[in-house]
Formats: sequence, C-alpha cells, structure tokens
Amino acid sequence: QQPVQSPQAVILREGEDAVINCSSSKALYSVHWYRQKHGEAPVFLMILLKGGEQKGHEKISASFNEKKQQSSLYLTASQLSYSGTYFCGTETRGGGFKTIFGAGTRLFVKA
Amino acid sequence: GAGVSQSPSNKVTEKGKDVELRCDPISGHTALYWYRQRLGQGLEFLIYFQGNSAPDKSGLPSDRFSAERTGESVSTLTIQRTQQEDSAVYLCASSLAVSERAQFFGPGTRLTVL
Repeated sequence: QQPVQSPQAVILREGEDAVINCSSSKALYSVHWYRQKHGEAPVFLMILLKGGEQKGHEKISASFNEKKQQSSLYLTASQLSYSGTYFCGTETRGGGFKTIFGAGTRLFVKA
Repeated sequence: GAGVSQSPSNKVTEKGKDVELRCDPISGHTALYWYRQRLGQGLEFLIYFQGNSAPDKSGLPSDRFSAERTGESVSTLTIQRTQQEDSAVYLCASSLAVSERAQFFGPGTRLTVL
C-alpha cells in the first residue's frame, strides 16, 4: 500500500534539474508532496487532486497521472535550499483521508 | 494561533512504562494525524481524526497504542508498556480537511525507550 518513490537519493550541483517519481499500486484520489530538512518537521509543498493536474511552487512543480497512478515532482534550477528529503503521500479511493507516505527521496544540492 | 505544537519535545522513559504525547492542532483544523518516524525512515501513519467521525485507527501497530481527541482540539497519543522498538519521533499534523488537505506538522516528540 505504501507508494514507491524513486530514486532513493540524488546528488545535484546548484542549477541542475531533478525529477522524483511516486507510484502506487492502488487507485489514487490525491497525491501530496512534502520536504523535510534534517532534524525538522516535514513542510507541505503541494497537493494534486485531479488526474493530469500540474501545480507549481516557485521552481518546484508536480504532475499527477491518475491513470498510471503516478506523480512526479520536478525541481528546476536547483538551489542549495532544496536539499532535504522529499516525501510523497497518497490518498487512495475508498481510503478516506488517510495519507500513506513513501519512504522518501534524499536530495543533496552542492555548490 | 500559531502552528501545530507538541509536548514534550523529548521524552526518555524506561521499558515497560506508559507515556502520553500531546498535540495541539492549528485552531479551526478539523483533521488531525499522528505519524511515527524512526531514525532515517519515512513517515508511518498511525491514526487519523476527522471532526466527530470515528477515527481511522488502522495504522496503530499494536493494542499498546491508543489516541484520543477532544472535539476538534487537543489530541493525546498513549503508548502503554513501552518497548525499545517504540523509540522514534512521533509527529502530529493537522489540516482543514475536506476542502484543503495540506497537512501542517508539529515539531514532533522524540521518544527514547531505554
């Protein structure tokens, strides 16, 4: 039931782009994305509620393919502040508002 | 008021003791979630409260774990007869739910069972 995130970890140089994927074996109602920095609580980035929806947040955007039960998070022109662990959380159809999180993708941006 | 608050921030206990963890959600948020995060791991769903509906307890790992919520305010997570494997950071989050389900997390309670 836990969504699968890939890659598990990625190292970028400042200014490079990255894509983090999240896939589920169950039909999805929504996908959430959060970022957690070391020793801190997760911080909400965005939620996607409709198939095909794309949302943007500064240089971070995401898409949701309801048919494929997948979501992707796009980080463009990465900054040092983007470093952290990114989690996707999924709500499944019939699962109420319970959110199940993936294992996370560790992103490190170096100068 | 401000964000989600949790207390205590740190708790060290001996194996076999009971502990209570507290969460104060953002005022007006009808939904409240508890998660467990072991060191270097992801967020493990424990329980979810939505308004006056029956809570979704499907994530509680054993009957030693229980949680209560008073109306749409404070929640307490109780762990009875603590075990070493209960050591983790326990995170609480709240959301408006229904119309806007972005979850806002508290700073967590770090529980260490000796």
